[in-house]
Formats: sequence, C-alpha cells, structure tokens
Amino acid sequence: KQEVTQIPAALSVPEGENLVLNCSFTDSAIYNLQWFRQDPGKGLTSLLLIQSSQREQTSGRLNASLDKSSGRSTLYIAASQPGDSATYLCAGAGNSGNTPLVFGKGTRLSVIA
Amino acid sequence: DAGVTQSPTHLIKTRGQQVTLRCSPKSGHDTVSWYQQALGQGPQFIFQYYEEEERQRGNFPDRFSGHQFPNYSSELNVNALLLGDSALYLCASSLPGPATEPYGYTFGSGTRLTVV
Repeated sequence: KQEVTQIPAALSVPEGENLVLNCSFTDSAIYNLQWFRQDPGKGLTSLLLIQSSQREQTSGRLNASLDKSSGRSTLYIAASQPGDSATYLCAGAGNSGNTPLVFGKGTRLSVIA
Repeated sequence: DAGVTQSPTHLIKTRGQQVTLRCSPKSGHDTVSWYQQALGQGPQFIFQYYEEEERQRGNFPDRFSGHQFPNYSSELNVNALLLGDSALYLCASSLPGPATEPYGYTFGSGTRLTVV
C-alpha cells in the first residue's frame, strides 16, 4: 500500500529565499507524481506532474524532481514571494494510468515579506 | 476556462440527514474521482467513475455512493450523516489513461460540508 510523507509539516521563510519541500513514498512502482498547491479552504491547483519516465519538470520558479529508486520527490521554489504562501501537497499515482492519487498531508509554507 | 465545477460551495446538514454533492468535469475529461479532505489532512480517495460505472473505490462505507451521468458529470451521495463526515469534498476529473496526454488530475474548488 502506497504511503506518502511530506517533510516539513510547516515552513516559514523570509521573502526571496530559495526553498525545498520534500516528499517520500513507500512504493517505487509509482506511475507519476503530482505536486499541488492549496490555499486555505480552497481546492487543489496542479503545479507540476512528473511521469515515471521523467526525472524532473520545471514551471517558472518551480522545479520538481522524481527519484523512484529512493522513493523521493522534491519541489524547489526559487526566490520565494509572499504570494507563494499556501499548503503544498504531493500525490503519487500507482502503476497504471488511473490508479487513484495517494496524498501526503502537505507542507504549510509561509513566506514573510 | 472549462475547469472542474462543484456545487454547492458550502453546505450545513444535521446528523442523520442525506446530502448530494455535484461535479461537472473539465471539458474533454470523462473520468471523475471524489476525495474527502479532513482539516489538516491530505485528501483521501472515495471512488472513481468511468463510463457511468464505479471503477475503483477507497476505504469508505456504503453510506457513500455515487453516480455518473452520460454527460460525464457526477454526484456524490452520503446517507446517515455523521459528525465525522464534516470535510472538504473534492472532485477531480481526468482522461481514462495516459495514451492521449500526459496523465494528470484537475481538481475543483470543493464543497465544504459541515455536519452539526
């Protein structure tokens, strides 16, 4: 059974700092890994999706990597801004295209101006 | 932008009542999944519908049921509501498999259900 863990649970950084959010998963037979952003009381916004054949994806100031052998993914945020403050969730899908996503509990990020 | 639409946005129900939540998938998507997110937790998978059939189900009791219509929209029904059913209910749509595009889910804004 896939389990996803995110560390740290909460993070507070000054504006402009580069930061890394960590995600680990127990089953390396992962089909893809998706990072989401969630603002308080809101739904999920997809940030990046990494397929099992890929090692990383980039979108603007965000870069996500996937290492299946070690069961880890990282989300790198460059030059953080107060608007980046939100909860970041990672989720893994199993070894077929429609296996449901298994989520971590998220990392709550606060960027202080 | 024809993203995932959920209704209602907020709902307050009394213990023992029944509730129906609705979801319209993103344009072009035909698979709908439902998730429950308790406060401070990650979303938990409830079930997934494809071609009007429940294809997969998570560890939720039979009080949770669903339906998918020919236009791919979906409903989540919860009977005999408990206080513990209070949560944010998220709907996600997708294509049925990776053959046609990089696979990923698109989520709606959710329905906040409060059971009192």
